[in-house]
Amino acid sequence: GAVVSQHPSWVICKSGTSVKIECRSLDFQATTMFWYRQFPKQSLMLMATSNEGSKATYEQGVEKDKFLINHASLTLSTLTVTSAHPEDSSFYICSARDPRSGGYNEQFFGPGTRLTVL
Amino acid sequence: QKEVEQDPGPLSVPEGAIVSLNCTYSNSAFQYFMWYRQYSRKGPELLMYTYSSGNKEDGRFTAQVDKSSKYISLFIRDSQPSDSATYLCAMSPLSGSRLTFGEGTQLTVNP
Repeated sequence: GAVVSQHPSWVICKSGTSVKIECRSLDFQATTMFWYRQFPKQSLMLMATSNEGSKATYEQGVEKDKFLINHASLTLSTLTVTSAHPEDSSFYICSARDPRSGGYNEQFFGPGTRLTVL
Repeated sequence: QKEVEQDPGPLSVPEGAIVSLNCTYSNSAFQYFMWYRQYSRKGPELLMYTYSSGNKEDGRFTAQVDKSSKYISLFIRDSQPSDSATYLCAMSPLSGSRLTFGEGTQLTVNP
């Protein structure tokens, strides 16, 4: 299957700083990427849908000014958590849709980024 | 009420057992039904997907969808310790559209 990478895999930062997380599709071009957040022992919650060359679509309740998403190329989307606070500590996972998939446009998930805000 | 309900477990079974994992949902627009496996601190990986109602088998895994009851299942035969993970059901109304996940069921297969 297609491969999606994330960087960094783990980041610790101080409260008030900004953190950028990268999501890359390694062997395919992804016109659409998704960003999820997962708290311990909870499911994945979709934060936003990122389309290459256009503004991201945010889910209800997700602050677009706090979680900045940039999908500048067909293989890279970035999520920047601005002015991070301890409550932003979570596991952030991206996924990318492989348009080459046959009848179903499968989403391939990255390995996730664990963010800890002190 | 959540759109997708899944018993979080934990579920613990002996090696070789048949495992049954289930989800119910309320949104009748869902057409695509997926099962993902997630190991600790890793991203989910797709195990199986099913379109509309019916059964699908892949090796030791069988997925069933009953749209009339809004109920989906994943069966794992001859379970192995390597099957120990969290299993997430996910659904979407359209191919490739946003996924709605269940809470995930934590499974442990004991040798």
